[in-house]
Amino acid sequence: NAGVTQTPKFRVLKTGQSMTLLCAQDMNHEYMYWYRQDPGMGLRLIHYSVGEGTTAKGEVPDGYNVSRLKKQNFLLGLESAAPSQTSVYFCASTGGRVEQYFGPGTRLTVT
Amino acid sequence: DQQVKQNSPSLSVQEGRISILNCDYTNSMFDYFLWYKKYPAEGPTFLISISSIKDKNEDGRFTVFLNKSAKHLSLHIVPSQPGDSAVYFCAASSTGTASKLTFGTGTRLQVTL
Repeated sequence: NAGVTQTPKFRVLKTGQSMTLLCAQDMNHEYMYWYRQDPGMGLRLIHYSVGEGTTAKGEVPDGYNVSRLKKQNFLLGLESAAPSQTSVYFCASTGGRVEQYFGPGTRLTVT
Repeated sequence: DQQVKQNSPSLSVQEGRISILNCDYTNSMFDYFLWYKKYPAEGPTFLISISSIKDKNEDGRFTVFLNKSAKHLSLHIVPSQPGDSAVYFCAASSTGTASKLTFGTGTRLQVTL
């Protein structure tokens, strides 16, 4: 039981490049979330999903897109990366309880 | 608008003593509160939670107190251990919002020998 996993762990992008971050969970959770963490800002919700095929915007959705084609996977896409998207990205999931389980994070640098 | 605030960026406590981490919130719709612990290069891990119908919840060395009238909660760690050194995030949620969490900015706790 791996819990929540994230791929990749680290990535460096040039401005304007695109990439997709993958989150996978093996706990059969319905709800999944993407957060970003910046120094002094805590964790901020980017997008979330309450079930397969559904997505919704969080607090800071601009510049990101998401997809939930399979229940166990939640993808976060950056179509045209900007230096302001340099951050640590965390994925989380829950089966309906408020307590969320987090992945180990992806550290993204945009130059 | 920061709805969940942790006004102390850092705290240093001696091993064996009590650590008290504080959190304030502004949104009166929040009815469930959580504390997460985060080590460097790892994801946050759930520590303890409390519903708004309670004013105290205890789990081993960790106790969370909720004062709804003051919109304030605190996490007490007794006794503090070196392994407790981490960043602690306070988070809040409202019923019916898909379990979305609003996080504070975190408090870095250092437990010294």
